[in-house]
Amino acid sequence: GESVGLHLPTLSVQEGDNSIINCAYSNSASDYFIWYKQESGKGPQFIIDIRSNMDKRQGQRVTVLLNKTVKHLSLQIAATQPGDSAVYFCAENILGFKTIFGAGTRLFVKA
Amino acid sequence: DAGVTQSPTHLIKTRGQQVTLRCSPISGHKSVSWYQQVLGQGPQFIFQYYEKEERGRGNFPDRFSARQFPNYSSELNVNALLLGDSALYLCASSPWITDTGELFFGEGSRLTVL
Repeated sequence: GESVGLHLPTLSVQEGDNSIINCAYSNSASDYFIWYKQESGKGPQFIIDIRSNMDKRQGQRVTVLLNKTVKHLSLQIAATQPGDSAVYFCAENILGFKTIFGAGTRLFVKA
Repeated sequence: DAGVTQSPTHLIKTRGQQVTLRCSPISGHKSVSWYQQVLGQGPQFIFQYYEKEERGRGNFPDRFSARQFPNYSSELNVNALLLGDSALYLCASSPWITDTGELFFGEGSRLTVL
């Protein structure tokens, strides 16, 4: 079956440190892998995506790495800030329309 | 520009009742998806509509139905409500069915079934 899972349910980091959130997936037919951020009381917000034929993509303070060999996805946040505190979901977009979400990792940023 | 809007934001129903949730996509977006998010879990895919046609359905019972209107807004209907239907129902829109993975989410309709 298809599933997207996460290694850690919570992650606590010091303000200014780098954060790494990991994710495992099982469906090899996905076109895109995406990271979303969800703050309390809000809907998920797109952070960054990566096509299945790429292995790295960088955005503003974020980098996504894709390792198709071991079906692993990671999100790196540089210089983590208190505003980065949220739940982060990895997701995979299948056949261009169906997006499957993982369970989420809660990131706590300590001041 | 307005984002994805959903109504109502909160509602309480009792078991066996029916509920209709509404979604207005971002202007210009023709694809609307519905997700159910139970507390502490990731969103679960329910439906996707594109150009008023159902293009995908998740693993939900027939009590769940949806439709998309000519103006691309959408409704999600749930009949014969169960306690387990209590969740945040999220609507997401995107420009095209084959666009990048990005979905634009509304803030959801929180349904409580008593």
